[in-house]
Amino acid sequence: AQSVTQLGSHVSVSEGALVLLRCNYSSSVPPYLFWYVQYPNQGLQLLLKYTSAATLVKGINGFEAEFKKSETSFHLTKPSAHMSDAAEYFCAANTGNQFYFGTGTSLTVIP
Amino acid sequence: DAGVTQSPTHLIKTRGQHVTLRCSPISGHKSVSWYQQVLGQGPQFIFQYYEKEERGRGNFPDRFSARQFPNYSSELNVNALLLGDSALYLCASSLQGSDTQYFGPGTRLTVL
Repeated sequence: AQSVTQLGSHVSVSEGALVLLRCNYSSSVPPYLFWYVQYPNQGLQLLLKYTSAATLVKGINGFEAEFKKSETSFHLTKPSAHMSDAAEYFCAANTGNQFYFGTGTSLTVIP
Repeated sequence: DAGVTQSPTHLIKTRGQHVTLRCSPISGHKSVSWYQQVLGQGPQFIFQYYEKEERGRGNFPDRFSARQFPNYSSELNVNALLLGDSALYLCASSLQGSDTQYFGPGTRLTVL
C-alpha cells in the first residue's frame, strides 16, 4: 500500500533558525509529492509540489523541498523561521486517483 | 478568482441523523475529491469524482456517498451519523483527476 510517513509530530524552532520537516514515502509511490500547510481552523494550502522536473523544488513563503529517490525522502526546509510559519504541515503523495497524506507535523516558532 | 467553496462552515447533528455537505470547485476544474480530517490527524481520502463519475473511493462505509453535478459541484452525504463522524470535511478540486488538488476551507461537523 502507498504511504507517507512524517517523522516528528511536533517540531519547535527559534525564530530565525532553520526549519526542517521530514517526509518519507513508500517506494511504490510515484514521484508526485506535495507539501501542504494548514493554519488553525482553515483548509490546506499548497506550499510546493514535485513532479519529476527538478529534484529541488521551491515553494511559497521561502520554503523548499528536495526529492531524494535513494532515500525515498521529500524533506521540507526553510532557512529562517518566521513567527507566521507556525502551523500544521502535511506531506502528501498522489497515486493518480488518490492523495495519501502523512499524519502531519506541528511547527512551533519560539520568539 | 474564487477558490474552492464549501457549505456550511459548521454543522451540528445528533447520532442517527443524515447530513449533506456541499462543494463548489474552482472554475474550470472538473475533478472533486472529499476528505475527512479527524482532529489531530491527516486528511483521509473518501471519494474522487471526475466528469461526474466516481473515480476513486477510500475505506469508508456505505453510509458515505457522494455525487457530482453537471456544473461540477459536488455533495457528500453521510447517513446514520455516528459520534466518530465528527471531523473537518475537506473538498478539493483539480483540473484533472491526477492533478494538483486545491482545498476548500472545510465543513466542521460535530455529531452529538
